[in-house]
Amino acid sequence: DSGVTQTPKHLITATGQRVTLRCSPRSGDLSVYWYQQSLDQGLQFLIQYYNGEERAKGNILERFSAQQFPDLHSELNLSSLELGDSALYFCASSADQGTYEQYFGPGTRLTVT
Amino acid sequence: GENVEQHPSTLSVQEGDSAVIKCTYSDSASNYFPWYKQELGKRPQLIIDIRSNVGEKKDQRIAVTLNKTAKHFSLHITETQPEDSAVYFCAASKGSNYQLIWGAGTKLIIKP
Repeated sequence: DSGVTQTPKHLITATGQRVTLRCSPRSGDLSVYWYQQSLDQGLQFLIQYYNGEERAKGNILERFSAQQFPDLHSELNLSSLELGDSALYFCASSADQGTYEQYFGPGTRLTVT
Repeated sequence: GENVEQHPSTLSVQEGDSAVIKCTYSDSASNYFPWYKQELGKRPQLIIDIRSNVGEKKDQRIAVTLNKTAKHFSLHITETQPEDSAVYFCAASKGSNYQLIWGAGTKLIIKP
């Protein structure tokens, strides 16, 4: 157990819908990262927050947005969902970025039908 | 910006043999190189990392080597076992104020 929690574990929804994925980082970690992993694919970095502020953006679609709240938990919002958005979404946390170990949550499996 | 290339994409080795996965990076300022292992259906986990002030680091059956001149680093697994079957990701960073840049991953298959 990495100490990072993600909810829900599984999510099935229809195209065009909007969903919210939630992540609670390890106690004391200030950085939260979101990744997308499609079937048999690598880790696609989406976005990073540090202590409530956006720190870096990766290949995140405009239909996706995220935020980190004062209690440091983070939410990833996916809207106007398409079939291609079906993937495993990981949240990771670390004390800071760059040279600090990232601890991954168990992931949320999103299926868009 | 930084780019990390990882090879091979798939590696199949006989149980008991050694496996080597190689990554190259583009930014000579990179100084931190971790390796993560992702077993099927599970989360990625850090297995070993190396910083640019050392050339090699070992932890039991796994080791990582770094060649700063050639800008590449490699993961070595000796005496492979079935539980080594997984996807391995390399990554690179220039420091604590910079992003971790990920390789595309290598699927390691251990044949019995």
